Amino acid sequence: EIVLTQSPATLSLSPGERATLSCRASQSVSSYLAWYQQKPGQAPRLLIYDASNRATGIPARFSGSGSGTDFSLTISSLEPEDFAVYYCQQRRKWPLTFGGGTKVEIK
Amino acid sequence: EVQLVESGGGLVQPGGSLRLSCAASGFTFSSYSMNWVRQAPGKGLEWVSYISSSGSTINYADSVKGRFTISRDNPKNSLYLQMDSLRAEDTAVYYCARDYCSSTTCRFDYWGQGTLVTVSS
Repeated sequence: EIVLTQSPATLSLSPGERATLSCRASQSVSSYLAWYQQKPGQAPRLLIYDASNRATGIPARFSGSGSGTDFSLTISSLEPEDFAVYYCQQRRKWPLTFGGGTKVEIK
Repeated sequence: EVQLVESGGGLVQPGGSLRLSCAASGFTFSSYSMNWVRQAPGKGLEWVSYISSSGSTINYADSVKGRFTISRDNPKNSLYLQMDSLRAEDTAVYYCARDYCSSTTCRFDYWGQGTLVTVSS
């Protein structure tokens, strides 16, 4: 099974600041990595697929990069609605796996 | 508008069974593969099971293999998860998620709001 390790577990930032979230895979997942955002009491929402492609309706301040084993999600300037938990997920091999999540909280 | 509505959750004793349903609307259900993903209280996301658009290909997480059965009824636009031999560690919110597949790969582009399953005596 491919293990995805997300860091940091918690990121404390202020609105307007830049957020950089990391996801590391235990083996190569090529570019088959997605990022999801989840707010309390809500279902996850797709942000990024294939490592760097924004999903429909996702603002340009969200960007993804990486390939192989190292990936990042960047939020260029945090808006109040961006404080949430973010998960990476690989689609390279079964079983599909998620990272443990990074919580972006208001400092 | 794409909608996925889960139902069937509730309280069940260890060793018991439960059948979850996911009613789909707003898209051609028979053209999409589907998944179940769960989230234990206060924990992260865990993929549970996948079924292809025709139902011919099915995959399970090791944690549920042999106990859970995924199925679908395309004419009824419905996805199911039969859960048997339930354990306390199966307690979670269960989401159904649609797979959108492009030439490169697939991703969960729409999710339901989830249904809570609690396994406790």
